Amino acid sequence: QSVLTQPPSASATPGQTVTISCSGSSSNIGSNSVNWYQQFPGTAPKLLIYNNDQRPSGVPDRFSGSTSGTSASLAITGLQSEDEADYYCSTWDDSLNVLFGGGTKLTVL
Amino acid sequence: QLQLQESGPGLVRPSETLSLTCTVSGGSIKNVVYLWGWIRQPPGKGLEWIGSISYTGTSSYSPSLKSRVAMSVDTSYKQFSLKLNSVTATDTAIYYCARLHKTMTSALYWGQGILVSVSS
Repeated sequence: QSVLTQPPSASATPGQTVTISCSGSSSNIGSNSVNWYQQFPGTAPKLLIYNNDQRPSGVPDRFSGSTSGTSASLAITGLQSEDEADYYCSTWDDSLNVLFGGGTKLTVL
Repeated sequence: QLQLQESGPGLVRPSETLSLTCTVSGGSIKNVVYLWGWIRQPPGKGLEWIGSISYTGTSSYSPSLKSRVAMSVDTSYKQFSLKLNSVTATDTAIYYCARLHKTMTSALYWGQGILVSVSS
């Protein structure tokens, strides 16, 4: 049972916008920045968003992150078939423990 | 380009100790901005942080694993290691090493992962 709650699945058609949520508490998301990872089967996670809304070099601007209170969101605009993957949110808590959400499996219909 | 590579046995017997090493190349392990961490992923499940260690040896561990985990770092060989004792089948997972930003905890660089199975 993850401290950060994500929907187990999400789906959308190509070209649409999909948003994946990550719900936490005042001791984690409410007070620390959020990172997002993308993971394809059989590969290591890839950092997609860091510090709430920053994109590492090479990540398309179709991916964006935001936070509000104790929740965070990852938005993917102009959805493409190659975006089909698992997505994880992550932050840390007041004890400096790193936390991961349970993951959301995104299906591109 | 920084690279990380996990190594160690792929099969561990129940009740024994899982030992893995991560070798860092293409960059320095001595950096105050970063921590070196271990994250695992049971087959078909999500990510779980195991712990992190600085190049000076200061470590922090997941509360759920703290009693069984020990991490160490060897800057001479640019390696850091994980030991998890008293393993059971629930410790079967892909184990990743990664470089974590000290304040943002974001991990830009990951190893490819190593599958460790716990079985007799």
